[in-house]
Amino acid sequence: DVKVTQSSRYLVKRTGEKVFLECVQDMDHENMFWYRQDPGLGLRLIYFSYDVKMKEKGDIPEGYSVSREKKERFSLILESASTNQTSMYLCASSLLGVDYGYTFGSGTRLTVV
Amino acid sequence: SQKIEQNSEALNIQEGKTATLTCNYTNYSPAYLQWYRQDPGRGPVFLLLIRENEKEKRKERLKVTFDTTLKQSLFHITASQPADSATYLCARHGSGNTGKLIFGQGTTLQVKP
Repeated sequence: DVKVTQSSRYLVKRTGEKVFLECVQDMDHENMFWYRQDPGLGLRLIYFSYDVKMKEKGDIPEGYSVSREKKERFSLILESASTNQTSMYLCASSLLGVDYGYTFGSGTRLTVV
Repeated sequence: SQKIEQNSEALNIQEGKTATLTCNYTNYSPAYLQWYRQDPGRGPVFLLLIRENEKEKRKERLKVTFDTTLKQSLFHITASQPADSATYLCARHGSGNTGKLIFGQGTTLQVKP
C-alpha cells in the first residue's frame, strides 16, 4: 500500500522554538508539497518541490523553509514558531505533470503555545 | 488569479438520494479538474480527475462533469450512504506544468439514514 508518512500526528511546541515536520513517500514521486489547512481558509500551499534540492514558494511561505535532500523526504521547518502557525499541516506527493492526483499524508496537528 | 469556489454551506441529504456538489472556477479553463474526499482530522484522498475534453467521468457511484461554458464541475454521488458523509474538495492546477494544485474550501456532505 503506497503511502505518504508524516512523522507526527500531534505536536505541541512553544513560541520561538524551531520546529521540524518530516514527510516521507514511498512512491518515487517527483513532486512533494506542504499545505496548511485552517477553518474557513481551506488548503493553502506553503512550499513545493519537483526535484531533489529544488524548492518553490507557494502562496504563504513566510515563516517557513523546506529541505529536500533525498527524493523521498521533504521537510518543513518553522524557524521560530509563532501562535499563528497553529494549524493542520498536510504533506502530499505526486508524479510530475498535471494529470496526476495527489497522495496526502494523515496530517500533523501543530499547536504553538 | 485562478480561483476555485465551492458552496461552503453543508449539504444534507437522505440516504439513497443523489448528492450533487458544485465547483466553479474563474479565468481560463484548466485542462484538468480533480476531486478529493476528506474525513475529519485526516488528509484528503484523491477520487477522480476529469480532463477538459471528457465532459463526464464515472467511477462506481461517483460521476463528475466538466462544463467549460459554465466554468463549472459537478460531482454526483448516486445512492448515497451515511459512509459518504465527508468534505469534498475540488482542485485545479495553477499556471505552469509543475502540478501545483489550487483547492476549493470544500463542501461538507451529511447523509442521514
